[in-house]
Amino acid sequence: QKEVEQDPGPLSVPEGAIVSLNCTYSNSAFQYFMWYRQYSRKGPELLMYTYSSGNKEDGRFTAQVDKSSKYISLFIRDSQPSDSATYLCAMSKGGGSNYKLTFGKGTLLTVNP
Amino acid sequence: GAVVSQHPSRVICKSGTSVKIECRSLDFQATTMFWYRQFPKQSLMLMATSNEGSKATYEQGVEKDKFLINHASLTLSTLTVTSAHPEDSSFYICSATHVVGQGAGYTFGSGTRLTVV
Repeated sequence: QKEVEQDPGPLSVPEGAIVSLNCTYSNSAFQYFMWYRQYSRKGPELLMYTYSSGNKEDGRFTAQVDKSSKYISLFIRDSQPSDSATYLCAMSKGGGSNYKLTFGKGTLLTVNP
Repeated sequence: GAVVSQHPSRVICKSGTSVKIECRSLDFQATTMFWYRQFPKQSLMLMATSNEGSKATYEQGVEKDKFLINHASLTLSTLTVTSAHPEDSSFYICSATHVVGQGAGYTFGSGTRLTVV
């Protein structure tokens, strides 16, 4: 079993739809959870950063972490064509600068106008 | 916000030659930088962790003599692919860490697409 599982999709939705992206993980040592957006042939861009369980909202984006279920989600409201990208979940065991990230495979999202 | 600059963005080299990729943190000091490799439609695979002034720590299966990493200053790390072969063709991405709230933020460079012919 991989440490982080993420459905690669692809996921295609109409403009304005609510998008739900998810990851599961197996290692209970993970404490920090992130969502990155990656456009084609570009480096990942940080969208959301969450410590431990709970919800975090930033504009149209909401990140949820349920450590008891080892399940994290990213919701995108009022999705736009510019949201079309690959979304990667990532997590780390510690908050220090030398802790490495473990990534999911990424979900390819297309928002159709 | 934190910015990481990576150069070059694309490089084509002949088989057997070496290629150097630079990763710079522009507005913060990065004690730790990470180098990743990404194949098409695949996630990022960590190659090595680079700490300023010390030897890099390589992940299992990554040849340290082939992928030379130097982190000579708090703002610059370099990855040199030595004696490149076509199977080294890939997308290489660096990231640098900085303090964010209770933990560390990881800012990524824009990546380098290496093609070995």
